[in-house]
Amino acid sequence: GAVVSQHPSWVICKSGTSVKIECRSLDFQATTMFWYRQFPKQSLMLMATSNEGSKATYEQGVEKDKFLINHASLTLSTLTVTSAHPEDSSFYICSASPTSGRGSDTQYFGPGTRLTVL
Amino acid sequence: GQNIDQPTEMTATEGAIVQINCTYQTSGFNGLFWYQQHAGEAPTFLSYNVLDGLEEKGRFSSFLSRSKGYSYLLLKELQMKDSASYLCAVRDSNYQLIWGAGTKLIIKP
Repeated sequence: GAVVSQHPSWVICKSGTSVKIECRSLDFQATTMFWYRQFPKQSLMLMATSNEGSKATYEQGVEKDKFLINHASLTLSTLTVTSAHPEDSSFYICSASPTSGRGSDTQYFGPGTRLTVL
Repeated sequence: GQNIDQPTEMTATEGAIVQINCTYQTSGFNGLFWYQQHAGEAPTFLSYNVLDGLEEKGRFSSFLSRSKGYSYLLLKELQMKDSASYLCAVRDSNYQLIWGAGTKLIIKP
């Protein structure tokens, strides 16, 4: 149980285009999902906290107009990287905690999406 | 500020035991997590400690001392597949996860 999926697993795009990444909790509901970014050989960096039915909470230094987050249901959050540039190339990982019950203290991670912007 | 310290890299031998330490200074404490991350993959959950003491789960154990701001992850009977980065993360008073930079564990035959 507690499986989180991401789609796509990798994407290559041209500079200036937008890319949407989906994060789904497959067998549980998640009121809150988290989006992280990880550059090579660096720690995970929290970008934003996605709340179902309300606006996301962004970490300091993360541009909310560039990284659009939508959490339309209890099992789906999307991250859209708008007008992507090469410096946005990174590994994007989402995580989710079950809303209640067993495992609600734990974040379960998706497999990640590797974004390369040419 | 908030800080999580763990060694950058450790090397151990297949079949041996290794202990990965983590010390933290955070604004409040609501639990400590250990994750395993293989290169190019997302982290996977290993353990969660919120009370002092040792939590054992198969070959992996995790220890917590809240008064010392200290935890360790103990890996027994090391296998080659245990070569990975091990991330320590602490949940602070705002229930945000503060991440360590990770310890790269290299297992040698």
